[in-house]
This record gives sequence, structure tokens and C-alpha cells, in this order.
Amino acid sequence: AAGVIQSPRHLIKEKRETATLKCYPIPRHDTVYWYQQGPGQDPQFLISFYEKMQSDKGSIPDRFSAQQFSDYHSELNMSSLELGDSALYFCASSHRAGGTGGWNEQFFGPGTRLTVL
Amino acid sequence: EDKVVQSPLSLVVHEGDTVTLNCSYEVTNFRSLLWYKQEKKAPTFLFMLTSSGIEKKSGRLSSILDKKELFSILNITATQTGDSAIYLCAVMDSSYKLIFGSGTRLLVRP
Repeated sequence: AAGVIQSPRHLIKEKRETATLKCYPIPRHDTVYWYQQGPGQDPQFLISFYEKMQSDKGSIPDRFSAQQFSDYHSELNMSSLELGDSALYFCASSHRAGGTGGWNEQFFGPGTRLTVL
Repeated sequence: EDKVVQSPLSLVVHEGDTVTLNCSYEVTNFRSLLWYKQEKKAPTFLFMLTSSGIEKKSGRLSSILDKKELFSILNITATQTGDSAIYLCAVMDSSYKLIFGSGTRLLVRP
């Protein structure tokens, strides 16, 4: 079965550089979520999109922005990178109107490991 | 502030043992509770629980939710070394985002 695809899988950047992470949801999923997982920490919600509109916003720095495109893929843009941005960035997708009993299970992609030097 | 608390933080058992992982929550707008297994990669979906008292089962894993006492347990029977992982509990709120606990790190020794 098709899963969530994320690219790149690994990314190394210098401080103050920019990075773009991409997420391709499971086919027919209409909702995308971004999570940040720092070393030894649990995933923290950043932002979500439903039908190409921002749905909810969590602890996402102003230096970050994201959008969902017409084909439902999403991109997370990160500017003025800081050492503390080094983390695993997960994208998850769900079908908001579907899932088991309509309750929206979220399926995670493999993550992008961002290292800021 | 919404929070999800898991216990124990870590657990070491031998193959064949049975383990129970706990998850308690305080979330204002609860929608559902999910369990994930995380090895060295993305969290893998295990269960989603929405109703109290209804056990969900998949092989040696089972889980149940108590919405009155605000907790859930994940049971693993006849553990195997392949069960070694971090088990994450997450609560989905009304906006569909997941609030994660810190996880329970399970190590199953041969």
C-alpha cells in the first residue's frame, strides 16, 4: 500500500541558510500535518492543512512557513536556520472525512532528518 | 495546558513476558486516542480508540480506553525481541492535531 513520502530523507544545512521539506500524502488523503521531533523528545505539532487551507497551527516559529498545493502535497519552508532546528521532521496524512468510522487515523512518513551546522 | 503522560518511561523485560503500558491525559477537546510504535524511523500506527471500554486487538497487542478516568493501556503478551521500540501515546483534539506523550521505551531481552 502507498505510504506518505517525504523528501529529502536527510538534509545538512549551515546556520542562517534555508531549507524546504516536501511531503506527499497517501493518495486520497486530504489533510497533512507537520511534526518536529527533537533528539530524545516526543513529536511536537507544527502546522496542518486540510483541502489546501491551513487548518491549525502549533508551535511553529515565524521563520517557518508551509503550504499545501493543488495535488495535496505540502512543503515546509524554513529560513534563517538555527542550530536548535536540528530535528526529525515528520509529515503525517489522513482522510478527514474517512478513516475507520470517520475518525481520521494519521499515518506518518519516514521523516526528514535536518542537521544544522 | 493539554498534556499526555506515559508510564513507565522505560521497561526491560524478557521474551515471553507480558507488559502493560499506561497513558493518561488531560486534553480539553478530546476526539480520540492513538497508539504508535516507533523504532528508528517514523511512528507506525497501532490503534485508534474513541469509545470507552471497547478493547481493540491485533495479534499479541491490545488496547482499551477509559474516558471517565482519562487513561488508556496497551498490553503486549508473549513479548518478542522485535517488540523492542518506543511506544507513543497521542491524543487527537478537536482540531485533529496529535498531542504526544513522551513515550515508553521497551526493551525485550532474549
